[in-house]
Amino acid sequence: SQQGEEDPQALSIQEGENATMNCSYKTSINNLQWYRQNSGRGLVHLILIRSNEREKHSGRLRVTLDTSKKSSSLLITASRAADTASYFCATANSGYSTLTFGKGTMLLVSP
Amino acid sequence: DAGVIQSPRHEVTEMGQEVTLRCKPISGHDYLFWYRQTMMRGLELLIYFNNNVPIDDSGMPEDRFSAKMPNASFSTLKIQPSEPRDSAVYFCASGIAGTSGDYEQYFGPGTRLTVT
Repeated sequence: SQQGEEDPQALSIQEGENATMNCSYKTSINNLQWYRQNSGRGLVHLILIRSNEREKHSGRLRVTLDTSKKSSSLLITASRAADTASYFCATANSGYSTLTFGKGTMLLVSP
Repeated sequence: DAGVIQSPRHEVTEMGQEVTLRCKPISGHDYLFWYRQTMMRGLELLIYFNNNVPIDDSGMPEDRFSAKMPNASFSTLKIQPSEPRDSAVYFCASGIAGTSGDYEQYFGPGTRLTVT
């Protein structure tokens, strides 16, 4: 069963704009992770945020976590055409547990 | 490190044939996962191993699917007999747990399986 659900399903923006993707989940979590998948490739880990953290940054990526609302957002600033990919959130319910992936947001960044 | 290695990258087979997918995890990782990805169902966890031991195979669709991990550097996923509905991209991923029990997963490039 899907734990995380991303919103929107698809997003189309211009280079230089910011892209925001959201993830909602249903049960309590230990951590939440974001992954990127380029067409025809495997998933690549982007960032992990623990349940006791509220915000995390990595380069042009900013992730927030609101455990009271059971939601997370991924912000990509100053997007580039190379950011075109599908983005997945994944949740771990407890330590050492497996990840449950959402169905992803397809991001298209046009030059 | 070469990352997670999967073979073959593409497999086309006829219904009823046996299919074997192979995975070499990243050296030192103690977790190995097999996933299946389709447009309809997204990314599904089939089975995972910890220190070469199968921990949870509840995602394996049916008895036609089996997975083994004979050593820390090799795992196989076998489908016998294969059916058209098994057509999907199969990913292997590996990871190593941190002290708090969280870990990121490193995915291989996947095997695109087509069963005709």
